[in-house]
Amino acid sequence: GDSVTQMEGPVTLSEEAFLTINCTYTATGYPSLFWYVQYPGEGLQLLLKATKADDKGSNKGFEATYRKETTSFHLEKGSVQVSDSAVYFCALSEGYNFNKFYFGSGTKLNVKP
Amino acid sequence: EPEVTQTPSHQVTQMGQEVILRCVPISNHLYFYWYRQILGQKVEFLVSFYNNEISEKSEIFDDQFSVERPDGSNFTLKIRSTKLEDSAMYFCASSEFGQGAHGYTFGSGTRLTVV
Repeated sequence: GDSVTQMEGPVTLSEEAFLTINCTYTATGYPSLFWYVQYPGEGLQLLLKATKADDKGSNKGFEATYRKETTSFHLEKGSVQVSDSAVYFCALSEGYNFNKFYFGSGTKLNVKP
Repeated sequence: EPEVTQTPSHQVTQMGQEVILRCVPISNHLYFYWYRQILGQKVEFLVSFYNNEISEKSEIFDDQFSVERPDGSNFTLKIRSTKLEDSAMYFCASSEFGQGAHGYTFGSGTRLTVV
């Protein structure tokens, strides 16, 4: 069945450090891939998405590339800020089953000044 | 920016009691969902709802669970007789389109604690 695996946290970085959060997926079809972010006390917000292989999603300095050959969608940011501290969720939605998302377990990011 | 609103943010209930979790989706959205996250585990799909009926539900969504859109604005999740294992964060979401490629808008969640 479909599933998403992402690196366990927490990840602790200093401000301006480079961020990578790994995400790999298993899917039977051609999924769309997403990163959601949850800031403290808030809901899940769509951060970026990619709907087909080799697409790059980007937003707020974050980016992720849909790699079909490695079934990965790693999240990267060149220089993190304290305000990026949050929980990040990788997710997929299958093309043939539009109603359902499969989420990873979330990775907590702590950015220190 | 439009929001999905969930109330209450935290609810504590005794085992065996009924609970109703409330959600106000974005006003022009037509598709509604409930997900849950047990502490330390993945966010799991519970149910999707469109055109006043359930379009899909997971194995978790057994006879103890029900959803309703009682009026034009609210979308509720009822757990008839809560169990300890129902303790989780419950997320409501809505989308304008049924296709997952567009993403959802999620609420901030209701933390349900069953004691």
